[in-house]
Amino acid sequence: QKEVEQNSGPLSVPEGAIASLNCTYSDRGSQSFFWYRQYSGKSPELIMSIYSNGDKEDGRFTAQLNKASQYVSLLIRDSQPSDSATYLCAVIQSYQKVTFGIGTKLQVIP
Amino acid sequence: NAGVTQTPKFRILKIGQSMTLQCAQDMNHNYMYWYRQDPGMGLKLIYYSVGAGITDKGEVPNGYNVSRSTTEDFPLRLELAAPSQTSVYFCATRGGADTQYFGPGTRLTVL
Repeated sequence: QKEVEQNSGPLSVPEGAIASLNCTYSDRGSQSFFWYRQYSGKSPELIMSIYSNGDKEDGRFTAQLNKASQYVSLLIRDSQPSDSATYLCAVIQSYQKVTFGIGTKLQVIP
Repeated sequence: NAGVTQTPKFRILKIGQSMTLQCAQDMNHNYMYWYRQDPGMGLKLIYYSVGAGITDKGEVPNGYNVSRSTTEDFPLRLELAAPSQTSVYFCATRGGADTQYFGPGTRLTVL
């Protein structure tokens, strides 16, 4: 079982729709969870971080964490073509170790 | 502030050659990381450092070496380049709230 799992996609959504990206992790002791966005040929940049169960909203982005189910998700409302990128889920499993998922490629269709 | 800088941006090596990928940061972060990213794949941790003089292996350390003599610099050394090391290499630091800051990457091709 991979430590951090994501569907590689591509996930295609029409412009204006809600995009839902999912991530599961294997280490129950994980405490910190992140979503990074990576445009083609560029380096990852932080979109959201979440540390406790529930929802965290920032503009059009909402991160959801369920530690009991070992599940973290990212919702993008009113998706725009500029949101087309690969979204990487990252989990801090110990104080130093950061593990990334494979990333989900999102395509927003105009 | 430059943040995290990496040099070179691109490099082509022949099999068996050696090179050092440079990474520097001006954010005074203790934690630094080296990742590689193969096409269509996620980030694989090569080595990391929790401070000057302290380094440890990550998931894929074979064929690489690192050193950390200062807080600012964290170079990655490839001793005998192999085609399997063709990849994009990212250096990152970790600061407040555990956020990672990535450099622009080095695209390496080994022929």
